[in-house]
Amino acid sequence: QKEVEQDPGPLSVPEGAIVSLNCTYSNSAFQYFMWYRQYSRKGPELLMYTYSSGNKEDGRFTAQVDKSSKYISLFIRDSQPSDSATYLCAISNFGNEKLTFGTGTRLTIIP
Amino acid sequence: ETGVTQTPRHLVMGMTNKKSLKCEQHLGHNAMYWYKQSAKKPLELMFVYSLEERVENNSVPSRFSPECPNSSHLFLHLHTLQPEDSALYLCASSQELRSNTGELFFGEGSRLTVL
Repeated sequence: QKEVEQDPGPLSVPEGAIVSLNCTYSNSAFQYFMWYRQYSRKGPELLMYTYSSGNKEDGRFTAQVDKSSKYISLFIRDSQPSDSATYLCAISNFGNEKLTFGTGTRLTIIP
Repeated sequence: ETGVTQTPRHLVMGMTNKKSLKCEQHLGHNAMYWYKQSAKKPLELMFVYSLEERVENNSVPSRFSPECPNSSHLFLHLHTLQPEDSALYLCASSQELRSNTGELFFGEGSRLTVL
């Protein structure tokens, strides 16, 4: 079983839709949960960071962690064409030293 | 220059060549990383340096040889590579190792093709 599972997509939604991106993980010791966004021909950039369970909101983005189900989500409200990118979940129990990444979900927002 | 800069952006090499990838960070960070990104695979951590000392070598073949001469520069020396080594090689830095925020600052990557 992979440590982190992420549906690679691709996922295409119309502008303005709510997007839900998800990852599951196997190691219950993980405590740090992150979402990185990677535009084409660019390196990943940190979008959201959450420690332990719960929700975190930042503008149109909400990160959700359910440790009991080993499931993390990223919701994008009022999606924009500029949100078109690959979204990578990353999980760790050592902060940034040993991040375990998902394969990434390629998202396209259609104007 | 700001952020993390990688050169070259694209590199094509034969299996018998020797080449190097260069990374420079202008953020004053203490930790630097090499990651490999292949299509449909998760990012793979290759090497980690903290204050110029290697703290992680993630079972990487010896045909990849890292060098960290100072906290701002990181190199990846390549020799006798295989076609399956073709990938995007990403350099990243962070303020500290084991920072709780988990934030890595990535460069734009070096796209390597091995013929």
